[in-house]
Amino acid sequence: DSGVTQTPKHLITATGQRVTLRCSPRSGDLSVYWYQQSLDQGLQFLIHYYNGEERAKGNILERFSAQQFPDLHSELNLSSLELGDSALYFCASSSTGTSGQETQYFGPGTRLLVL
Amino acid sequence: AQTVTQSQPEMSVQEAETVTLSCTYDTSESDYYLFWYKQPPSRQMILVIRQEAYKQQNATENRFSVNFQKAAKSFSLKISDSQLGDAAMYFCAYGLYSGSRLTFGEGTQLTVNP
Repeated sequence: DSGVTQTPKHLITATGQRVTLRCSPRSGDLSVYWYQQSLDQGLQFLIHYYNGEERAKGNILERFSAQQFPDLHSELNLSSLELGDSALYFCASSSTGTSGQETQYFGPGTRLLVL
Repeated sequence: AQTVTQSQPEMSVQEAETVTLSCTYDTSESDYYLFWYKQPPSRQMILVIRQEAYKQQNATENRFSVNFQKAAKSFSLKISDSQLGDAAMYFCAYGLYSGSRLTFGEGTQLTVNP
């Protein structure tokens, strides 16, 4: 158990819908990262938040957005869902965000299926 | 942009034997970290080992060790005394010292035969 929690574990929805994925980092970690794992794209970095502020964006679609709240949990919002958005979405956390590449610990993931 | 390449999509090993998984990366940076993560059928991403680029000594964690060749940009993972529980997808990952994202390779599926 990495200490990172993600909810829900599974999500089945329809095209055009909107969903919210939630992540709670390890105790004391200020950084939260979101990754997408799909069959055709592999593991892709989406976005990084540090202590409530966005620090880096990767291959994140405009239909996707994220935020980190004062209690440090983070939410990834996916809207206007398409079939191709079906994937495993991981959240990871680490203790720092600016002064060193600390190890990222991954949550169990949320498996999204868009029908 | 940094890239990570795992040239072995699949590997197999007999239980109790040793296996080496390969990883190469491309970067123009000098300060970075390298990681091996394991993803068993549960799909959980589990850290196996990490290496700081500034360290010459190869990292070891029990039965897992790496061969880090900075000049060659190579980072292989050796698993000794392989166990059935080692069967998983293994991902090599690169991260900048001052950066945030991890760049992952395509993965190597390891099968352990009894």
